[in-house]
Amino acid sequence: DIQMTQSPSSLSASVGDRVTITCRASQNIGSYLSWYQQKPGEAPKLLIHVASSLLSGVPSRFSGSGSGTDFTLTITNLQPEDCATYYCQYSFSSFGPGTKVEMK
Amino acid sequence: EVLLVELGGGLVQPGGSLRLSCAASGFVFSNAWMSWVRQAPGKGLQWVGRIPSKSDGGTPVYAAPVKGRFTISRDDSKNTLSLQLNSLTTEDTAVYYCTTVLHWGAAGTTDHWGQGTLVTVSS
Repeated sequence: DIQMTQSPSSLSASVGDRVTITCRASQNIGSYLSWYQQKPGEAPKLLIHVASSLLSGVPSRFSGSGSGTDFTLTITNLQPEDCATYYCQYSFSSFGPGTKVEMK
Repeated sequence: EVLLVELGGGLVQPGGSLRLSCAASGFVFSNAWMSWVRQAPGKGLQWVGRIPSKSDGGTPVYAAPVKGRFTISRDDSKNTLSLQLNSLTTEDTAVYYCTTVLHWGAAGTTDHWGQGTLVTVSS
């Protein structure tokens, strides 16, 4: 199985900050990388697929980049509603352990 | 409207079995890759397995922790996805979600999750 790792495991940031979450695959996965947001008590929500393609309706402050083994989710101008746990996923396969984003 | 509705969760003893089902509607089920994802209480998301559409081979693939114990199947005539769970351990206690990602061409891509069904393995 391909293993996915994420860093950091949690972070605290202020409104308006730029936040970066990294995801690493144990093998080359091309661009088959998705990013999910999950808020407490809710099902996950897909934000980005094929590494950098933003889903319709997702705010443009979210962006994804990378290919191969190293990927990044960036949130610019962090908003209070962005408090959540973010997971990367090798498409239709293993998830990373998650990154919890909290407000300072 | 796309709907995924899971059924079949409950309390089962260690070593026991359970069968989950997911009723799908609102899209062409036979064309969709379907997955099961679980989440233990207070823990992260764990991919359980996937089953491609029959046109893409239809062979299920499983995560290592469940391989050989869980079986994913699909009935395209009934728009139903199933997950057979055998040899259950307490580590399998989780909410199980049925999920898919759909590509609608120019209309974009959407993801869909069921409401989840809780499987509790306990004596």
